Amino acid sequence: EIVLTQSPATLSLSPGERATLSCRASQSVTNSFAWYQQKPGQAPRLLIYGASNRATGIPDRFSGSGSGTDFTLTISRLEPEDFAVYYCQQYGSSPYTFGQGTNLELK
Amino acid sequence: EVQLVQSGAEVKKPGESLKISCKASGYSFAGNWIGWVRQMPGKGLEWMGMIYPADSDTRYSPSFQGQVTISADKSISTVYLQWSSLKASDTAMYYCARSTAPIDYWGQGTLVTVSS
Repeated sequence: EIVLTQSPATLSLSPGERATLSCRASQSVTNSFAWYQQKPGQAPRLLIYGASNRATGIPDRFSGSGSGTDFTLTISRLEPEDFAVYYCQQYGSSPYTFGQGTNLELK
Repeated sequence: EVQLVQSGAEVKKPGESLKISCKASGYSFAGNWIGWVRQMPGKGLEWMGMIYPADSDTRYSPSFQGQVTISADKSISTVYLQWSSLKASDTAMYYCARSTAPIDYWGQGTLVTVSS
């Protein structure tokens, strides 16, 4: 089973700032890698798939990068609605696993 | 429009059985993997497993193998998650999710509470 470790656990930033979230895999992952956003009381929402492709309707301030074992989600300029919990996931090898999440909170 | 509509919240006692459902619409149900994700209170997402309705090929996370059963009824485009004997630790929100790599559609969630 591939273990995904996200860092940091909590990220405190202000609107307008740049956010950089990381996810490291315990073994090399294909580009079958995604990022999700979850707000309180809501189901998660797909942001990025294939490591760097934005899902339908996702603003271009969200970008994904990385390959192998290290992946990054960048939010270029934070909007108030971006404060949420973010999860990474690999879907190249069953069981498909999630990271433990990064809580992006308002500073 | 793709929709995944889950059954309502459940309150059960330890040892009871339970089967929750997720009805899919707006896409080819048989030809797409669909699965379940658990979220315990205040915790992260855990991938439980998935099923390919066309041939009922089912994959489980080792953490959930033997603990739950995932099944599907193609005739009514519905996937199920079943427990034979619930434990208090099964208390969680359960999401069905179209898992055609990656998860692009999610159900609204079914809250399962297990308490004596």
